[in-house]
Amino acid sequence: DAGVIQSPRHEVTEMGQEVTLRCKPISGHNSLFWYRQTMMRGLELLIYFNNNVPIDDSGMPEDRFSAKMPNASFSTLKIQPSEPRDSAVYFCASRPGLGTQYFGPGTRLLVL
Amino acid sequence: TQLLEQSPQFLSIQEGENLTVYCNSSSVFSSLQWYRQEPGEGPVLLVTVVTGGEVKKLKRLTFQFGDARKDSSLHITAAQPGDTGLYLCAGEEMSSNYKLTFGKGTLLTVNP
Repeated sequence: DAGVIQSPRHEVTEMGQEVTLRCKPISGHNSLFWYRQTMMRGLELLIYFNNNVPIDDSGMPEDRFSAKMPNASFSTLKIQPSEPRDSAVYFCASRPGLGTQYFGPGTRLLVL
Repeated sequence: TQLLEQSPQFLSIQEGENLTVYCNSSSVFSSLQWYRQEPGEGPVLLVTVVTGGEVKKLKRLTFQFGDARKDSSLHITAAQPGDTGLYLCAGEEMSSNYKLTFGKGTLLTVNP
């Protein structure tokens, strides 16, 4: 079975540019989560969706961040404009109902 | 926001030694999960503990949930180089729609 798929795996961009991260959850999973991991703050939940509907976006840092889930098999996390402090590893995870969360391999973002 | 404190932050030991890592909070969780994360990958669930006082074993790993469901420990017996990784605990709270709050992790290095 394919796990959670994230793209790109690595992204290097310049400050002010738009960044779009993509996630394909495991088929049949109805919850999707976006996390950010840094050395300083650890793994933080940004937003999560249930049945494609955003349930809790209280972790989204500011208006520069937005996330969408247009269908059950695709989600995006967009940063516009990007800043150096956004540099981190961004993980997507999916879960069937209240079961185990399965994480993707992450996108390593570096904003110069 | 519930906080999970993990200790120690870093641990470097020799193969064959035993170790214990801790996860503490002032909040009560409905369940607590332990993950292991290897470099370049997403966290992978090891175990979920639900009942206060519960002990679960996974080969050489023993997980315990505190009686008050506020803390947990992970004990590894006869550590092996393959145990190297970042160990994360995560608390799940029913009142927050079952979203997970992660600790910052313990980075374990087992030297051959």
